[in-house]
Amino acid sequence: ETGVTQTPRHLVMGMTNKKSLKCEQHLGHNAMYWYKQSAKKPLELMFVYSLEERVENNSVPSRFSPECPNSSHLFLHLHTLQPEDSALYLCASSQGRDSIYGYTFGSGTRLTVV
Amino acid sequence: GQNIDQPTEMTATEGAIVQINCTYQTSGFNGLFWYQQHAGEAPTFLSYNVLDGLEEKGRFSSFLSRSKGYSYLLLKELQMKDSASYLCAVREKDSNYQLIWGAGTKLIIKP
Repeated sequence: ETGVTQTPRHLVMGMTNKKSLKCEQHLGHNAMYWYKQSAKKPLELMFVYSLEERVENNSVPSRFSPECPNSSHLFLHLHTLQPEDSALYLCASSQGRDSIYGYTFGSGTRLTVV
Repeated sequence: GQNIDQPTEMTATEGAIVQINCTYQTSGFNGLFWYQQHAGEAPTFLSYNVLDGLEEKGRFSSFLSRSKGYSYLLLKELQMKDSASYLCAVREKDSNYQLIWGAGTKLIIKP
């Protein structure tokens, strides 16, 4: 148990489907993040929420839509994805953006787009 | 520009010592992190360096030289469970405190 829980762990979806990834943190942190992890590439920051307000959107295509209803929950809504979107999607949280403890990550959702 | 370099893969023997290097070029340095990630699992925090020098934590140590843009993670008395990817990340004030990540070093431990 890492304190950050992601569901589902695995997801296979067609290009015309709509699905959502869920992240929940039980650490009392006030910042949450979505990352994309592809093989042999650095983690790519997608979105940052601080105190439930989106503060970063790193040029992510509109087929990815984040939602942060409260400080403990974060969603990533997916629609009309492309095969190149197949990757591991990691959620993370932190107490402030300059914590010396860095981020706490969830175990990720392995997404395959067919 | 932003750039974090670390070796793609390393192999070491159980019981030995291994050093994983990380070099970086960033603006507004605000600390360097090392994370461990086992296959299919979450990255987990190992260490944080913001001042020059060595930080020791059990079998793992991390070193930082800000003037050289260089860090290393030292793993002693290697165990099979240390087989994992090790991720180096630098935090930048000038990028709104974002973490800039290396691609990770896959460490393989052999008996």
